[in-house]
Amino acid sequence: EAGVTQFPSHSVIEKGQTVTLRCDPISGHDNLYWYRRVMGKEIKFLLHFVKESKQDESGMPNNRFLAERTGGTYSTLKVQPAELEDSGVYFCASSLTGGPRQYFGPGTRLTVT
Amino acid sequence: DQQVKQNSPSLSVQEGRISILNCDYTNSMFDYFLWYKKYPAEGPTFLISISSIKDKNEDGRFTVFLNKSAKHLSLHIVPSQPGDSAVYFCAASGMGRDDKIIFGKGTRLHILP
Repeated sequence: EAGVTQFPSHSVIEKGQTVTLRCDPISGHDNLYWYRRVMGKEIKFLLHFVKESKQDESGMPNNRFLAERTGGTYSTLKVQPAELEDSGVYFCASSLTGGPRQYFGPGTRLTVT
Repeated sequence: DQQVKQNSPSLSVQEGRISILNCDYTNSMFDYFLWYKKYPAEGPTFLISISSIKDKNEDGRFTVFLNKSAKHLSLHIVPSQPGDSAVYFCAASGMGRDDKIIFGKGTRLHILP
């Protein structure tokens, strides 16, 4: 069974540019989560989808971040325009039934210069 | 304001000895605690969990202890093996099956030969 995949693995962009991160959850997992780890800090929750609906988006930092999950399969996280403080590793996770035991992808390392 | 705290950024343990990783939390509403393990360039992987109604859960070489009165949990690894060298994240989740995970900053464990 394929795990959670994320693309790209690494992205370097300039301040003010736009970046779109993609996450493909484990097939059949209705629950999809986005997290972010800024260097040296804890992994922080961003939002939670159940199928195509946003269940909880309380962790989204501001309106420069837009997450979508059209069709309830893969998800994208767009940052527009990117700022220096957006640099970090963005993790996607999925689970079949919800709850805290989640399967994480390898992450996308975003560097904003 | 961190709700899950791992005060030791790193820990070195001799191979074959016991590794003890500690974690404190502040929110008494957490009802589920987890440990995730992370290797470089990979996402966190679930290791072991414990419900707030229990004080101990064991899985092979890994045991998690929960002290609710002290709001403290610990992960014991015995005997420690070279493959255990990784970053260990303590995490907690609140009430409800679909709740987000609150992570600590992680402790880097080095197993010495």
